[in-house]
Amino acid sequence: ETGVTQSPTHLIKTRGQQVTLRCSSQSGHNTVSWYQQALGQGPQFIFQYYREEENGRGNFPPRFSGLQFPNYSSELNVNALELDDSALYLCASSPGLRANYGYTFGSGTRLTVV
Amino acid sequence: GEDVEQSLFLSVREGDSSVINCTYTDSSSTYLYWYKQEPGAGLQLLTYIFSNMDMKQDQRLTVLLNKKDKHLSLRIADTQTGDSAIYFCAEVTGGTSYGKLTFGQGTILTVHP
Repeated sequence: ETGVTQSPTHLIKTRGQQVTLRCSSQSGHNTVSWYQQALGQGPQFIFQYYREEENGRGNFPPRFSGLQFPNYSSELNVNALELDDSALYLCASSPGLRANYGYTFGSGTRLTVV
Repeated sequence: GEDVEQSLFLSVREGDSSVINCTYTDSSSTYLYWYKQEPGAGLQLLTYIFSNMDMKQDQRLTVLLNKKDKHLSLRIADTQTGDSAIYFCAEVTGGTSYGKLTFGQGTILTVHP
């Protein structure tokens, strides 16, 4: 059973650019959530995807968007990058909608915006 | 509202017990979690407790829940240097339509030889 894998592991972008981060969910998991973890902070919920649709969103602007594919993998897209978007982006998958099933986290993508 | 608070630092000697504390605000939370994060890594689920339980023990880990005070603690027995990491408590919020984890800021545990 493979866990959650994220790519790339590190990324450097320039302010104003766009970025796409990718996540492969754990086998058998149909729900994917994305979190942003700024340095020295706890992760903050961005949104959740279930059956290829956004199913819940945190306090993030519309320039944060996502996709989920039929194989349950997912992408996080961020447009018009700002310096404050520099963070560790974590993907988590679970076998159901509610986190009480237990989320499995990937190792994250470290995004630096310069 | 949703807010989870933790003390920021804890330093213990190897072999001692560590106790990490957390308070949360959402009384409707059904599950509460403890995650561990090592440098440069993602989050590892350590343990969780259902809101109708007072205590849960899992090998060296003991979770205590005081639902009246919305207080959660994680006790690590016989703490080892490999336990040095950041520990996050998290509550499940988001109502019934979806589940999201609301995390505390994390407690940095340092274990001295």
